[in-house]
Amino acid sequence: QKEVEQDPGPLSVPEGAIVSLNCTYSNSAFQYFMWYRQYSRKGPELLMYTYSSGNKEDGRFTAQVDKSSKYISLFIRDSQPSDSATYLCAMSPILNDYKLSFGAGTTVTVRA
Amino acid sequence: EAGVTQFPSHSVIEKGQTVTLRCDPISGHDNLYWYRRVMGKEIKFLLHFVKESKQDESGMPNNRFLAERTGGTYSTLKVQPAELEDSGVYFCASSHYPGQGEEKLFFGSGTQLSVL
Repeated sequence: QKEVEQDPGPLSVPEGAIVSLNCTYSNSAFQYFMWYRQYSRKGPELLMYTYSSGNKEDGRFTAQVDKSSKYISLFIRDSQPSDSATYLCAMSPILNDYKLSFGAGTTVTVRA
Repeated sequence: EAGVTQFPSHSVIEKGQTVTLRCDPISGHDNLYWYRRVMGKEIKFLLHFVKESKQDESGMPNNRFLAERTGGTYSTLKVQPAELEDSGVYFCASSHYPGQGEEKLFFGSGTQLSVL
């Protein structure tokens, strides 16, 4: 069993739709949860991170963590064509420990 | 501020040859990480330097891989001899040491390695 499971998609939505992405994990030691965005031929770029359970909002992006279910989500509201990218979840048991465990990434296309 | 720089961006070699990948981290970043993504799989941790010292190399696949970070600046990752299963994208990332600045991991664009 993979430590972090993420549906690779692809996911295609019309502009303005809500994009919903999620990951499940098996290691209960994970405390820090991150979402990265990766454009084609570029490296991953940190979008958001959250600690333990709860919600965090940053503009059009909302990250949710449910540790009891070992399930994390990322929502993108009012999606734009510029949001078309691969979204990767990543997690770690220790703050600022970047020996991260990544999901496989979900490829998202937002159609104009 | 310049980002993390990796080169070459692409490398195509034959099985049995040697390849050296280079990473220039963001200036002032003591932490340097190597990650790898093989086709169809998730990004996997390879190793972590703090300045010139290897902090954790538990992700290195085998002794055909050798990483160095001379003087705590740039890093190289050598694969010798390369095998078919070494093909993938190799990412380098850097960050400040905790307490020394913005605590966030910055990735380079990666080196696409193809072993034929």
